[in-house]
Amino acid sequence: KQEVTQIPAALSVPEGENLVLNCSFTDSAIYNLQWFRQDPGKGLTSLLLIQSSQREQTSGRLNASLDKSSGRSTLYIAASQPGDSATYLCAVETSGSRLTFGEGTQLTVNP
Amino acid sequence: DTGVSQDPRHKITKRGQNVTFRCDPISEHNRLYWYRQTLGQGPEFLTYFQNEAQLEKSRLLSDRFSAERPKGSFSTLEIQRTEQGDSAMYLCASSLGPRGPIYFGPGTRLTVT
Repeated sequence: KQEVTQIPAALSVPEGENLVLNCSFTDSAIYNLQWFRQDPGKGLTSLLLIQSSQREQTSGRLNASLDKSSGRSTLYIAASQPGDSATYLCAVETSGSRLTFGEGTQLTVNP
Repeated sequence: DTGVSQDPRHKITKRGQNVTFRCDPISEHNRLYWYRQTLGQGPEFLTYFQNEAQLEKSRLLSDRFSAERPKGSFSTLEIQRTEQGDSAMYLCASSLGPRGPIYFGPGTRLTVT
């Protein structure tokens, strides 16, 4: 059974810092890994999708890497802003088209 | 492209009542998914459709839950004889096909009293 773990569970940083969120998964037989953002009480917003054959994806200040063999992914956020405050979730797609999610990292960026 | 929409956004019901939620996927997305999320947890997979066919159901989807996607467009999720443990956010998502990005709706927050 696939299990996804995200570390840390919560993170508080001052504005302007660069930060790294970690995601690990137990079964490397994945098709892809997706990072999402969730604001309180809202749905999920897709940030980055990395296919299993790829090593990284970039979008603006966000960069996600994938090391499939070791079961790890990182989300790097450059020059953090208060508007980045949210919960960040990673999810892996395995057979059957289902996503398995981690519990998320709750990020607070202080002005 | 208006994104995935869900209705209602909030639902409060008494234990034992039936509730039905609706999801409208992004047009032309042939895959539609239902997930459930409780406070402080990541979403958990419930079921998904390829067009009108329901291809997979999680063990979380007890006999009290039923989902349909008539004509391969919108979908409904019905919960019969609701229990307090059903209180959660029910998220719908859609995609063009497998292995691509999945887009989520705003969710329906269910509270069973």
